[in-house]
Amino acid sequence: EPEVTQTPSHQVTQMGQEVILHCVPISNHLYFYWYRQILGQKVEFLVSFYNNEISEKSEIFDDQFSVERPDGSNFTLKIRSTKLEDSAMYFCASTSDSPLHFGNGTRLTVT
Amino acid sequence: QKEVEQDPGPLSVPEGAIVSLNCTYSNSAFQYFMWYRQYSRKGPELLMYTYSSGNKEDGRFTAQVDKSSKYISLFIRDSQPSDSATYLCAMSGSWGKLQFGAGTQVVVTP
Repeated sequence: EPEVTQTPSHQVTQMGQEVILHCVPISNHLYFYWYRQILGQKVEFLVSFYNNEISEKSEIFDDQFSVERPDGSNFTLKIRSTKLEDSAMYFCASTSDSPLHFGNGTRLTVT
Repeated sequence: QKEVEQDPGPLSVPEGAIVSLNCTYSNSAFQYFMWYRQYSRKGPELLMYTYSSGNKEDGRFTAQVDKSSKYISLFIRDSQPSDSATYLCAMSGSWGKLQFGAGTQVVVTP
């Protein structure tokens, strides 16, 4: 069965550094998402992306965050200047017209 | 009032028992209801989904949605130790922007 693939599985960075999280959605899917889960908390919606633009974003997704689909297969989340509170699991998800399929996430640790 | 409420557990049951999980919600616009299973430090894995009210069965799993009460349930029959995980309810007005519950940790003991 097709899968959403995320890399790296774990990223450690220092506060203030930029990070880019990578995702390869399922190939025939058209809608792409980023969610995050702070340890011990709910999975939270960050942003949705369709037709090469953001379709919706949460209040968490401020100017420090950006998303991009640089080619036909990759979907990235960039955090420009990381903060300690950005430490979380970040999940990519995709769909066409069905429930979301999630990747296994990138664990981001900001020190 | 939180949009989606789910008891975090843990819920401990003996092998072979029925696991009963539920969520309540406040947003009457929700039309899509899903249950995901999550193992530690892994992504949510889709188990069941339902559009609007009704029941759905898939093997040992049964999902129920009661929109009039804003209440959804998941039942796992003949539970196995491999069913030990965190179960997340999720719901939305469309497939994409999901509101998740806090997740219920289930432990099935041999």
